[in-house]
Amino acid sequence: DIQMTQSPSSLSASVGDRVTITCRASQSISTYLNWYQQKSGKAPKLLIYAASSLQSGVPSRFSGSGSGTDFTLTISSLQPEDFATYYCQQSYSPRFTFGPGTKVDIK
Amino acid sequence: QVQLVESGGGVVQPGRSLRLSCAASGFTFNNYGLHWVRQAPGKGLEWVAVIWYDGSKKYYADSVKGRFTISRDSSKNTLYLQMNSLRVEDTAVFYCARGGGDSNLDYWGQGTLVTVSS
Repeated sequence: DIQMTQSPSSLSASVGDRVTITCRASQSISTYLNWYQQKSGKAPKLLIYAASSLQSGVPSRFSGSGSGTDFTLTISSLQPEDFATYYCQQSYSPRFTFGPGTKVDIK
Repeated sequence: QVQLVESGGGVVQPGRSLRLSCAASGFTFNNYGLHWVRQAPGKGLEWVAVIWYDGSKKYYADSVKGRFTISRDSSKNTLYLQMNSLRVEDTAVFYCARGGGDSNLDYWGQGTLVTVSS
C-alpha cells in the first residue's frame, strides 16, 4: 500500500497568516493527490483535487501544488472558518490512503 | 442536490455482524464508484473499501479484507457494507462517499457510528 505522511501534525496560527501543510507519498503518485478539510463532528469536505485543482465553491485562498511524492496545501490568508483538520489522500492506487492529518488551531 | 445518507450503525458485540446502508440521491447512481471511509474516535480518516460504478471491481483495506463486503443495489440506489467478525478496533464513524470523476471523494454522507463492545 502507498503510505502518506503529513507535516506538521498540528500548528497554531493567527487570522491572516499564510499556512503551508506538506504531504509526502511513499512512492510516486504523479498528481493523484487530494486535500480535504474536516471540522469537528462533520464529514470531510473536498478542497483540492489532482494536486492543484480547486473544487467548485472552495475559496481561492486555498491552493495546492506538487507532483511525484511531495505536495503542499497553502492557505494564503487564514480565516476564522479555516480552523480545522486537513488530510491529504492519494488516488493513484484504487486502494486509497489518507495522511494522518494536520490540525490547524488558533494561536 | 447530491445526498448520501448512511444508516445501520449501532452497538454490537465483538465477533458479531452488522450491515450498513447508504442511500444515494441527486445523481445517476450507476455512473459512479462508491467508497466507505471510517474514523475511529479522536483519530484520522481510514479508507475502507470501494466498489466500481458497475460493481465489477471491489477493493478493500488490509484491515478489513476477508471480514467486510461492499455491495450496491442499483434498483434501490443504495450502497452496503456487510461487516462480519467485528472487533473492538472497528469502532468508528463510517462514512460513504462518492467517487468523483477526478479520482477524488467529492460528496460524503453524515456518517453512522458503529460501536463494538462487550
